[in-house]
Amino acid sequence: NAGVTQTPKFRVLKTGQSMTLLCAQDMNHEYMYWYRQDPGMGLRLIHYSVGEGTTAKGEVPDGYNVSRLKKQNFLLGLESAAPSQTSVYFCASSYGRAPYEQYFGPGTRLTVT
Amino acid sequence: AQSVTQLGSHVSVSEGALVLLRCNYSSSVPPYLFWYVQYPNQGLQLLLKYTSAATLVKGINGFEAEFKKSETSFHLTKPSAHMSDAAEYFCAVSEGDNDMRFGAGTRLTVKP
Repeated sequence: NAGVTQTPKFRVLKTGQSMTLLCAQDMNHEYMYWYRQDPGMGLRLIHYSVGEGTTAKGEVPDGYNVSRLKKQNFLLGLESAAPSQTSVYFCASSYGRAPYEQYFGPGTRLTVT
Repeated sequence: AQSVTQLGSHVSVSEGALVLLRCNYSSSVPPYLFWYVQYPNQGLQLLLKYTSAATLVKGINGFEAEFKKSETSFHLTKPSAHMSDAAEYFCAVSEGDNDMRFGAGTRLTVKP
């Protein structure tokens, strides 16, 4: 039981390049989330999904897109990376809404130069 | 929208001393409250959560937190700090929708 996994662990992009971050969970959770973590700002929700084929915007969605084609996977895309998107990205999943807890992946450190 | 304020971005204690990490929340409805811990280069792990069943919540690793509605607080405590408690701690609030709001975090340092 691996829980929540994320690939890649590290990535460096040049401004304007695109990339996709992959999140996978093996807990059969319906809900999945993408957050970004920046110093002094905690975690902020980018997008989330309440089930296969559904996505919704969170607090800071601009510049990102997501897809949930399979229940176990949640992809985060950056179409044209900007230095402001340098951050640590965390994926999480949960059985349902609060009070169900969210389970987090190990994170992806992205640097955009 | 709900929000969380964590007082003190850095807290330093001696090994064996009391740990107190402060969290105040804002919510228009009775909230769900969480404390998560993040060890270096890892994701967040749940320490404990408040779901209105009891105001004093016990979590893992000897931590506990008390919900005080009158003070809109949910402070995290541990009677005796251990070196392994050094980490970053996040308070979070949810009103039961899909939006969990996290505080900015408090980095705990434990001195030998």
